[in-house]
Amino acid sequence: AQRVTQPEKLLSVFKGAPVELKCNYSYSGSPELFWYVQYSRQRLQLLLRHISRESIKGFTADLNKGETSFHLKKPFAQEEDSAMYYCALSTGRRAGNMLTFGGGTRLMVKP
Amino acid sequence: DAGVIQSPRHEVTEMGQEVTLRCKPISGHDYLFWYRQTMMRGLELLIYFNNNVPIDDSGMPEDRFSAKMPNASFSTLKIQPSEPRDSAVYFCASRGTSGSNEQYFGPGTRLTVT
Repeated sequence: AQRVTQPEKLLSVFKGAPVELKCNYSYSGSPELFWYVQYSRQRLQLLLRHISRESIKGFTADLNKGETSFHLKKPFAQEEDSAMYYCALSTGRRAGNMLTFGGGTRLMVKP
Repeated sequence: DAGVIQSPRHEVTEMGQEVTLRCKPISGHDYLFWYRQTMMRGLELLIYFNNNVPIDDSGMPEDRFSAKMPNASFSTLKIQPSEPRDSAVYFCASRGTSGSNEQYFGPGTRLTVT
């Protein structure tokens, strides 16, 4: 069965510091991975997906199949980055297009 | 499109009462998902539908929970009777069949059972 692990429930950094939110997954097939972000009292929204290989709001994430990881990184954190971040794994259409979410990491960026 | 719409946004009820949460997916999307979010357990998938048919309800915690999708533009999640431990934020999400597996989330319903 697929699983997503985010080992840190809370990550606290100072403004301007680098940020790395960890995500590891277990899945035997070809995964599709996402990062979702939830700002305070707002809906979850997609931040980025691995197939796009894009940078959104300064965040990037690289899929490492060897390490089964999809860590989210930003070189210089901003206060407005404070939010809840969820890593999610999609196992594809044959598995019903479900997303399996990690437990989430709360990022706090202090001034 | 207004995105996924959920109502009510907040619900406060007493233990034992019936609670009905509503969701309108994005037009044209044929998958609909119900999630529950709590501090302790994070985001949990409760049930999802494809073309109005329930596909996987293994995440529904108990028989007190039920979900329906009578048509492509409406779904309900019902809790009867409600209990304090049901207090959570309930999200509905939808997605289409083309492109990536991105799901679009509604604003959520914050349920408090006293």
